[in-house]
Amino acid sequence: DQQVKQNSPSLSVQEGRISILNCDYTNSMFDYFLWYKKYPAEGPTFLISISSIKDKNEDGRFTVFLNKSAKHLSLHIVPSQPGDSAVYFCAATAGGTSYGKLTFGQGTILTVHP
Amino acid sequence: GAVVSQHPSRVICKSGTSVKIECRSLDFQATTMFWYRQFPKQSLMLMATSNEGSKATYEQGVEKDKFLINHASLTLSTLTVTSAHPEDSSFYICSVGPRAGYQPQHFGDGTRLSIL
Repeated sequence: DQQVKQNSPSLSVQEGRISILNCDYTNSMFDYFLWYKKYPAEGPTFLISISSIKDKNEDGRFTVFLNKSAKHLSLHIVPSQPGDSAVYFCAATAGGTSYGKLTFGQGTILTVHP
Repeated sequence: GAVVSQHPSRVICKSGTSVKIECRSLDFQATTMFWYRQFPKQSLMLMATSNEGSKATYEQGVEKDKFLINHASLTLSTLTVTSAHPEDSSFYICSVGPRAGYQPQHFGDGTRLSIL
């Protein structure tokens, strides 16, 4: 049961344009969502997060949008840079006994072309 | 965010060997750490929660006798893959639990385990 899904395995974008990465979830208990960037043979690097009480969070070039009714979140990167090329994972967690446990999506490979 | 050190970064060993991986929280005392595993081209899957001073809690399908976790101090958790076999070859990553509330976890750089 894939509770967090990233349906696009890959995304290719031109430098300077916007990158939009999408993520859907099924567990209504999730209340905190995160995006991580990962290179091969390295651990994930935290990018940005959002709690369920918000619908938008912005940090520099990165903005995360949360649509709770649709159980959907997206990461916008603008402008995209070649250094953004990596695998992007969305992750979600719930409180209570699941506090801190992250459920990851399958990842989306982002390629930003110069 | 938290600074996490994981060692070793790569291990290649023969089948039947036991391998220990260390995860250190360098800048804060972590009562909870997490161990994840990633198979090639797949997502990260939570294996277990490492609890300082008490037993680890394992996710469904993860053999606790195969993957021994020790969290003896607030800055160190170890994962020992006992009697490793080729099917245990994977990328193992630890994370340090959120400091409080809605805060992100931070990950180590991972350990690539290859069992011949």
